[in-house]
Amino acid sequence: QVQLQESGPGLVKPLETLSLTCSVSGDSIGIYYWNWIRQPAGKGLEWIGRLSTSGNTNYNPSLKSRVIISLDTSKNLFSLELTSVTAADTAVYYCAREDPMAAVGTTGYFYFAMDVWGQGSTVTVSS
Amino acid sequence: DIQMTQSPSSLSASVGDRVTITCRASQSIYSYLNWYQQKPGKAPTLLIFGASKLQSGVPSRFSGSGSATDYSLTISSVEPGDFATYYCQQSFNAPRTFGQGTKLEIK
Repeated sequence: QVQLQESGPGLVKPLETLSLTCSVSGDSIGIYYWNWIRQPAGKGLEWIGRLSTSGNTNYNPSLKSRVIISLDTSKNLFSLELTSVTAADTAVYYCAREDPMAAVGTTGYFYFAMDVWGQGSTVTVSS
Repeated sequence: DIQMTQSPSSLSASVGDRVTITCRASQSIYSYLNWYQQKPGKAPTLLIFGASKLQSGVPSRFSGSGSATDYSLTISSVEPGDFATYYCQQSFNAPRTFGQGTKLEIK
């Protein structure tokens, strides 16, 4: 059974870079999309971005200039870097695997969903 | 970006009630719609994908429906463990976007 585990500093100073890793166990990185999502305390889910194992990335336009998501298949993990952080970046950060869940009829397309999530890593931005 | 709007933002129900949460997309998403449940302090879990397909292990009291821009999640008979926050999310294109959430509370 695949499991994801986020790790990284719980406290980051303003204007520095937030770096988190998501370790994948129980399966290989394989052919999926690997996502980062965050959730400020008491608020909803915000999608940060994703990376495919073929190297394609998609980012939230509101964060795109500050985000890098990368993959290390040799270590079975993927990473998030968020630069120039402010207090507004304080949140619980989740990693999640996005899988092709079912075919869309005979179109050749698939319904994708985030069916495996890490437990979350709390990051506070403060001096 | 596709905007996802859920209603209501919160909902009070009793055990055994039938409840429905709706989600509207700012453009057609052709049933590329997922529903997640999140309990306090926990990561979200996938309930439904493709608008109406039940994720393995999810009780059959959960169901999803809809098409084009309008979707709904129904719990046929609420159980104590169902009190949580529910999110819709579109998977039609990137950036992926979530609804703002619906908190199901005990009446």
